[in-house]
Amino acid sequence: NAGVTQTPKFRILKIGQSMTLQCTQDMNHNYMYWYRQDPGMGLKLIYYSVGAGITDKGEVPNGYNVSRSTTEDFPLRLELAAPSQTSVYFCASMAGSYGYTFGSGTRLTVV
Amino acid sequence: KQEVTQIPAALSVPEGENLVLNCSFTDSAIYNLQWFRQDPGKGLTSLLLIQSSQREQTSGRLNASLDKSSGRSTLYIAASQPGDSATYLCAVPYGQNFVFGPGTRLSVLP
Repeated sequence: NAGVTQTPKFRILKIGQSMTLQCTQDMNHNYMYWYRQDPGMGLKLIYYSVGAGITDKGEVPNGYNVSRSTTEDFPLRLELAAPSQTSVYFCASMAGSYGYTFGSGTRLTVV
Repeated sequence: KQEVTQIPAALSVPEGENLVLNCSFTDSAIYNLQWFRQDPGKGLTSLLLIQSSQREQTSGRLNASLDKSSGRSTLYIAASQPGDSATYLCAVPYGQNFVFGPGTRLSVLP
């Protein structure tokens, strides 16, 4: 039982490039989330999904897109990367009121 | 809007001390509260989840309490060890999501 798996763990992007951060969970959780965590700051919600085919914006969605075609996968797409998107990105899933399970994170640097 | 604060922001204690971390939230209409641990450069590990019907939860040397009426939760760590050094975050539900506190950075000195 792998839980929540994120890939890649590290990535360096040049300004203007695009990439997709992958997130997969094998717990059949309906709820999935993407957060970013900047140094010394708390977690900020980017996008979330309450089930396959349903996504919604969080607190800081600009510059990102998501899709949820299956229960297991919730990829985060960065278009036209900017230095302000340098951060650590965490994917999480949740089943009802039983709390979050987090992935190990993707450390992204935009130069 | 749900806002979560944590006090203190940082704490340094000698090994063996008992300590308390505090979490406060503004909207008491929550159905649970979760405490996490985050090691430097790592993800978040769930420590304890307290349902709104519970007043406390225990796991080993950790004990978390919840007082919804006052909008507070405390995480008690008994007989602290250097391996407890990490950042501790609390999170409460808000709509379809959770709101996280900024964390308390704990250092336990050998």
